[in-house]
Amino acid sequence: DTGVSQDPRHKITKRGQNVTFRCDPISEHNRLYWYRQTLGQGPEFLTYFQNEAQLEKSRLLSDRFSAERPKGSFSTLEIQRTEQGDSAMYLCASSLASLDSHYGYTFGSGTRLTVV
Amino acid sequence: GNSVTQMEGPVTLSEEAFLTINCTYTATGYPSLFWYVQYPGEGLQLLLKATKADDKGSNKGFEATYRKETTSFHLEKGSVQVSDSAVYFCALTRGSQGNLIFGKGTKLSVKP
Repeated sequence: DTGVSQDPRHKITKRGQNVTFRCDPISEHNRLYWYRQTLGQGPEFLTYFQNEAQLEKSRLLSDRFSAERPKGSFSTLEIQRTEQGDSAMYLCASSLASLDSHYGYTFGSGTRLTVV
Repeated sequence: GNSVTQMEGPVTLSEEAFLTINCTYTATGYPSLFWYVQYPGEGLQLLLKATKADDKGSNKGFEATYRKETTSFHLEKGSVQVSDSAVYFCALTRGSQGNLIFGKGTKLSVKP
Protein backbone atom coordinates (compact mmCIF):
# COMPACT_ATOMS: atom_id res chain seq x y z
CA ASP A 1 0.00 0.00 0.00
CA THR A 2 1.42 3.35 -1.03
CA GLY A 3 -0.58 5.53 1.34
CA VAL A 4 -3.27 8.03 0.46
CA SER A 5 -3.23 9.12 -3.18
CA GLN A 6 -4.78 12.26 -4.57
CA ASP A 7 -5.28 13.20 -8.17
CA PRO A 8 -4.52 15.58 -9.74
CA ARG A 9 -1.68 17.25 -7.83
CA HIS A 10 -2.41 20.61 -9.40
CA LYS A 11 -5.45 22.03 -11.14
CA ILE A 12 -5.84 25.41 -12.75
CA THR A 13 -9.34 26.29 -13.82
CA LYS A 14 -11.27 29.31 -14.99
CA ARG A 15 -13.84 30.84 -12.73
CA GLY A 16 -17.24 29.28 -13.26
CA GLN A 17 -15.92 25.89 -14.36
CA ASN A 18 -16.54 22.65 -12.49
CA VAL A 19 -13.68 20.59 -11.09
CA THR A 20 -13.48 17.13 -9.58
CA PHE A 21 -10.75 15.70 -7.39
CA ARG A 22 -10.14 12.09 -6.51
CA CYS A 23 -8.79 10.49 -3.35
CA ASP A 24 -7.73 6.87 -2.92
CA PRO A 25 -7.35 6.05 0.78
CA ILE A 26 -5.34 3.30 2.41
CA SER A 27 -7.26 0.18 1.49
CA GLU A 28 -8.08 -1.06 4.97
CA HIS A 29 -9.16 2.39 6.23
CA ASN A 30 -12.92 2.83 6.50
CA ARG A 31 -12.92 6.56 7.26
CA LEU A 32 -12.09 9.20 4.68
CA TYR A 33 -11.85 12.94 5.29
CA TRP A 34 -11.64 16.03 3.12
CA TYR A 35 -9.93 19.19 4.33
CA ARG A 36 -9.15 22.55 2.76
CA GLN A 37 -5.97 24.48 3.51
CA THR A 38 -5.29 28.04 2.48
CA LEU A 39 -1.93 29.77 2.68
CA GLY A 40 -0.80 30.39 6.24
CA GLN A 41 -3.72 28.52 7.76
CA GLY A 42 -4.25 25.10 9.23
CA PRO A 43 -6.38 22.57 7.40
CA GLU A 44 -10.13 23.11 7.81
CA PHE A 45 -12.47 20.17 7.95
CA LEU A 46 -14.96 19.84 5.09
CA THR A 47 -16.57 16.42 5.37
CA TYR A 48 -15.99 12.80 6.23
CA PHE A 49 -17.25 9.35 5.34
CA GLN A 50 -17.37 6.12 7.18
CA ASN A 51 -17.50 3.47 4.50
CA GLU A 52 -19.92 4.93 1.93
CA ALA A 53 -21.94 7.01 4.41
CA GLN A 54 -21.25 10.74 4.63
CA LEU A 55 -21.46 11.31 8.38
CA GLU A 56 -20.65 14.98 8.79
CA LYS A 57 -20.40 18.10 6.66
CA SER A 58 -18.89 21.38 7.74
CA ARG A 59 -20.77 24.60 7.12
CA LEU A 60 -17.75 25.46 4.95
CA LEU A 61 -19.13 22.98 2.46
CA SER A 62 -21.44 25.20 0.44
CA ASP A 63 -24.05 23.91 -2.00
CA ARG A 64 -21.47 24.13 -4.78
CA PHE A 65 -19.43 21.39 -3.12
CA SER A 66 -20.35 17.73 -3.20
CA ALA A 67 -18.45 14.68 -2.11
CA GLU A 68 -19.11 11.02 -2.74
CA ARG A 69 -17.65 7.71 -1.75
CA PRO A 70 -19.84 5.33 -3.74
CA LYS A 71 -18.38 1.97 -2.79
CA GLY A 72 -16.65 2.87 0.41
CA SER A 73 -13.29 2.98 -1.31
CA PHE A 74 -12.15 6.03 -3.31
CA SER A 75 -13.86 9.40 -2.95
CA THR A 76 -14.47 12.36 -5.21
CA LEU A 77 -14.90 16.01 -4.30
CA GLU A 78 -16.62 18.17 -6.89
CA ILE A 79 -16.76 21.94 -6.89
CA GLN A 80 -19.31 23.49 -9.22
CA ARG A 81 -19.12 27.04 -10.60
CA THR A 82 -15.71 27.63 -9.08
CA GLU A 83 -14.91 31.00 -7.54
CA GLN A 84 -11.53 32.58 -6.85
CA GLY A 85 -12.09 32.03 -3.15
CA ASP A 86 -12.04 28.29 -3.79
CA SER A 87 -8.31 28.47 -4.55
CA ALA A 88 -6.67 26.32 -1.90
CA MET A 89 -5.00 23.01 -1.22
CA TYR A 90 -7.57 20.22 -0.86
CA LEU A 91 -6.35 17.46 1.41
CA CYS A 92 -7.66 13.97 1.82
CA ALA A 93 -6.95 11.76 4.82
CA SER A 94 -7.98 8.29 5.89
CA SER A 95 -8.11 6.38 9.13
CA LEU A 96 -9.46 3.27 10.76
CA ALA A 97 -12.44 4.08 12.97
CA SER A 98 -11.92 3.22 16.64
CA LEU A 99 -8.19 3.53 16.12
CA ASP A 100 -8.25 7.21 15.07
CA SER A 101 -6.97 8.33 18.41
CA HIS A 102 -4.17 5.85 18.51
CA TYR A 103 -2.76 5.91 15.02
CA GLY A 104 -3.84 9.29 13.79
CA TYR A 105 -4.75 9.96 10.25
CA THR A 106 -2.77 9.46 7.06
CA PHE A 107 -2.87 12.43 4.73
CA GLY A 108 -2.37 12.57 1.01
CA SER A 109 -0.16 15.17 -0.63
CA GLY A 110 -3.15 17.23 -1.66
CA THR A 111 -4.59 18.80 -4.80
CA ARG A 112 -3.70 22.44 -5.27
CA LEU A 113 -6.55 24.30 -6.97
CA THR A 114 -6.01 27.67 -8.58
CA VAL A 115 -9.06 29.49 -9.92
CA VAL A 116 -8.21 32.24 -12.40
CA GLY B 1 -16.67 25.08 20.67
CA ASN B 2 -13.56 23.04 20.12
CA SER B 3 -10.45 24.91 19.04
CA VAL B 4 -6.66 24.89 19.02
CA THR B 5 -4.43 27.92 19.49
CA GLN B 6 -0.77 27.87 18.57
CA MET B 7 1.95 30.43 19.04
CA GLU B 8 2.40 32.51 15.94
CA GLY B 9 5.49 32.16 13.85
CA PRO B 10 7.72 32.25 12.14
CA VAL B 11 10.19 30.90 14.66
CA THR B 12 13.84 31.16 13.64
CA LEU B 13 16.48 29.25 15.60
CA SER B 14 20.11 28.34 15.22
CA GLU B 15 21.05 24.69 14.90
CA GLU B 16 21.22 22.89 18.27
CA ALA B 17 18.98 25.45 19.97
CA PHE B 18 16.08 24.41 22.23
CA LEU B 19 12.62 24.53 20.68
CA THR B 20 9.25 25.15 22.28
CA ILE B 21 6.07 25.67 20.27
CA ASN B 22 3.11 26.44 22.49
CA CYS B 23 -0.29 24.88 21.90
CA THR B 24 -3.44 25.27 23.99
CA TYR B 25 -6.84 23.83 23.31
CA THR B 26 -10.50 24.21 24.15
CA ALA B 27 -12.60 21.09 23.96
CA THR B 28 -15.55 19.32 25.45
CA GLY B 29 -14.95 15.87 26.78
CA TYR B 30 -11.56 14.24 26.52
CA PRO B 31 -9.88 14.96 23.20
CA SER B 32 -6.85 13.24 21.79
CA LEU B 33 -4.02 15.59 20.87
CA PHE B 34 -1.62 15.49 17.95
CA TRP B 35 1.29 17.30 16.40
CA TYR B 36 1.59 17.12 12.63
CA VAL B 37 4.51 18.37 10.56
CA GLN B 38 4.50 19.63 6.99
CA TYR B 39 7.89 19.76 5.29
CA PRO B 40 8.28 22.03 2.28
CA GLY B 41 6.46 20.56 -0.72
CA GLU B 42 5.16 17.56 1.21
CA GLY B 43 1.92 16.45 2.84
CA LEU B 44 1.06 16.44 6.52
CA GLN B 45 2.77 13.77 8.59
CA LEU B 46 1.89 12.66 12.08
CA LEU B 47 4.75 13.60 14.39
CA LEU B 48 3.41 12.49 17.77
CA LYS B 49 0.21 12.03 19.73
CA ALA B 50 -1.26 11.67 23.21
CA THR B 51 -4.65 10.22 24.00
CA LYS B 52 -5.16 11.01 27.69
CA ALA B 53 -4.05 13.37 30.41
CA ASP B 54 -0.38 13.18 31.43
CA ASP B 55 0.51 11.07 28.39
CA LYS B 56 3.76 12.07 26.74
CA GLY B 57 4.08 11.67 23.00
CA SER B 58 7.55 11.47 21.51
CA ASN B 59 9.17 10.95 18.12
CA LYS B 60 12.38 12.00 16.37
CA GLY B 61 13.57 13.85 19.49
CA PHE B 62 10.34 15.84 19.78
CA GLU B 63 8.14 15.56 22.88
CA ALA B 64 4.81 16.90 24.05
CA THR B 65 2.87 16.22 27.27
CA TYR B 66 -0.92 16.31 27.50
CA ARG B 67 -1.65 18.73 30.35
CA LYS B 68 -5.33 18.73 31.19
CA GLU B 69 -4.99 21.25 34.04
CA THR B 70 -3.53 23.86 31.68
CA THR B 71 -5.23 22.53 28.51
CA SER B 72 -1.86 22.52 26.79
CA PHE B 73 0.22 20.29 24.55
CA HIS B 74 3.46 22.19 23.97
CA LEU B 75 5.99 20.76 21.51
CA GLU B 76 9.63 20.64 22.59
CA LYS B 77 12.95 19.49 21.20
CA GLY B 78 16.26 19.80 22.95
CA SER B 79 18.47 20.38 19.92
CA VAL B 80 16.98 21.31 16.56
CA GLN B 81 18.56 20.55 13.20
CA VAL B 82 18.30 22.30 9.86
CA SER B 83 16.22 19.35 8.66
CA ASP B 84 13.53 20.22 11.27
CA SER B 85 12.61 23.31 9.26
CA ALA B 86 8.91 22.86 8.51
CA VAL B 87 5.44 23.98 9.55
CA TYR B 88 4.13 22.37 12.73
CA PHE B 89 0.41 21.95 13.42
CA CYS B 90 -1.23 21.13 16.72
CA ALA B 91 -4.56 19.31 16.41
CA LEU B 92 -7.25 17.55 18.41
CA THR B 93 -10.00 15.05 17.81
CA ARG B 94 -13.27 15.10 19.65
CA GLY B 95 -13.35 11.54 20.88
CA SER B 96 -15.36 9.37 18.52
CA GLN B 97 -16.37 12.28 16.29
CA GLY B 98 -13.42 11.60 14.08
CA ASN B 99 -12.40 14.80 12.38
CA LEU B 100 -9.27 16.71 13.36
CA ILE B 101 -9.37 20.35 14.40
CA PHE B 102 -6.10 22.12 13.60
CA GLY B 103 -4.31 25.18 14.82
CA LYS B 104 -3.03 27.69 12.27
CA GLY B 105 0.46 26.23 12.23
CA THR B 106 3.86 27.52 13.28
CA LYS B 107 6.64 27.83 10.74
CA LEU B 108 10.06 26.86 12.05
CA SER B 109 13.27 27.83 10.28
CA VAL B 110 16.54 26.45 11.58
CA LYS B 111 19.74 28.16 10.44
CA PRO B 112 23.09 26.36 10.33
